[in-house]
Amino acid sequence: SQKIEQNSEALNIQEGKTATLTCNYTNYSPAYLQWYRQDPGRGPVFLLLIRENEKEKRKERLKVTFDTTLKQSLFHITASQPADSATYLCALVLLEGSQGNLIFGKGTKLSVKP
Amino acid sequence: GAGVSQSPRYKVAKRGQDVALRCDPISGHVSLFWYQQALGQGPEFLTYFQNEAQLDKSGLPSDRFFAERPEGSVSTLKIQRTQQEDSAVYLCASSFARTVGSGNTIYFGEGSWLTVV
Repeated sequence: SQKIEQNSEALNIQEGKTATLTCNYTNYSPAYLQWYRQDPGRGPVFLLLIRENEKEKRKERLKVTFDTTLKQSLFHITASQPADSATYLCALVLLEGSQGNLIFGKGTKLSVKP
Repeated sequence: GAGVSQSPRYKVAKRGQDVALRCDPISGHVSLFWYQQALGQGPEFLTYFQNEAQLDKSGLPSDRFFAERPEGSVSTLKIQRTQQEDSAVYLCASSFARTVGSGNTIYFGEGSWLTVV
């Protein structure tokens, strides 16, 4: 069956440390993978997109890797801050079939303690 | 407006009641999506419009769910004879691109929180 899994429901880390979130998928062949941030009571906000032929993407303190052999993406936040506390969602973009379908994981709730 | 606007933000419906949820996408955005997000879950795809054409409605859970975008801008998601399992946040999103696969950013609204009692 097709699945997309994020490593844990919750991740607690100390301010200043690097947060690493994992997204694994099975039986999908995504063309892209996206990461979103969602705060309580708000809609998801797009952070980064990485294509299947890209190994790594960076944006300020954020870094995303994409390993199509392992079927895994890692999302890193370096020098984490309490303001980074939120739920982070990964989403697969499939080109076949629907033109408009993002497949989301359940999300990982990150808490950064001061 | 600057972002995707959804109304109402909160709706409490009695079981069996019909509801209509409205989405105003970002001006000029071609693509419009509806997602359903249950508590503690990721968003799940419901339907997709390219301008006024509904190109994919494979995610609509039953024939009680209906969506339209008659003039290619504002969209309405209608749920008939609501059931308790319909309780969720309904997210609307829009994109300038014609397809998700182009890699263009998708912008989400704040969602409409539906509680069926």
